[in-house]
Amino acid sequence: NAGVTQTPKFRILKIGQSMTLQCTQDMNHNYMYWYRQDPGMGLKLIYYSVGAGITDKGEVPNGYNVSRSTTEDFPLRLELAAPSQTSVYFCASSYGFQGGSNQPQHFGDGTRLSIL
Amino acid sequence: TQLLKQSPQFLSIQEGENLTVYCNSSSVFSSLQWYRQEPGEGPVLLVTVVTGGEVKKLKRLTFQFGDARKDSSLHITAAQPGDTGLYLCAGDGDTGRRALTFGSGTRLQVQP
Repeated sequence: NAGVTQTPKFRILKIGQSMTLQCTQDMNHNYMYWYRQDPGMGLKLIYYSVGAGITDKGEVPNGYNVSRSTTEDFPLRLELAAPSQTSVYFCASSYGFQGGSNQPQHFGDGTRLSIL
Repeated sequence: TQLLKQSPQFLSIQEGENLTVYCNSSSVFSSLQWYRQEPGEGPVLLVTVVTGGEVKKLKRLTFQFGDARKDSSLHITAAQPGDTGLYLCAGDGDTGRRALTFGSGTRLQVQP
């Protein structure tokens, strides 16, 4: 089972460049999430989506954009890369809010992004 | 904003020792999840606790949810090098917010 697949695994960008981090899942999960993880820290939610065509801001959305045209894909776009966006980015998916609680999230292996 | 504070931030112990990691908040959570993250990988779910006072065991790991559902603990008995990793708690708030709140993590290193 592929689960959650993120590409690329590593990327170096110059300040001001743009790029899209890809995320796809094959578990038919409605909910998908993007997090960033700075060195030695926990996860900060950037954006999430509860279904195709619906996206919501998380804790740290500035400098990022997302779209959700299909159930499977949830790309994250950086328009004008800044050094503060150097981080490891994780995509996750889940069955969402069921039975009165948020169901467990399944994570990809991350994209390590450096902006110089 | 609901915050989850984990302690300690770092823990380095010898193989065979016992340890406890704490996850605390001033907010009530309807459920709480524990994840372990190994270097170069994404977090993987260990357990979900739902009921106040609930205790769950996963081999040498014991998870407890506080009676008031504001805190949780993870106890590892006879730690092994394979337990090394970042342990994250994640709370599901009563506000109905459709996303989890993650703690800052406890980084555990078990020396052989």
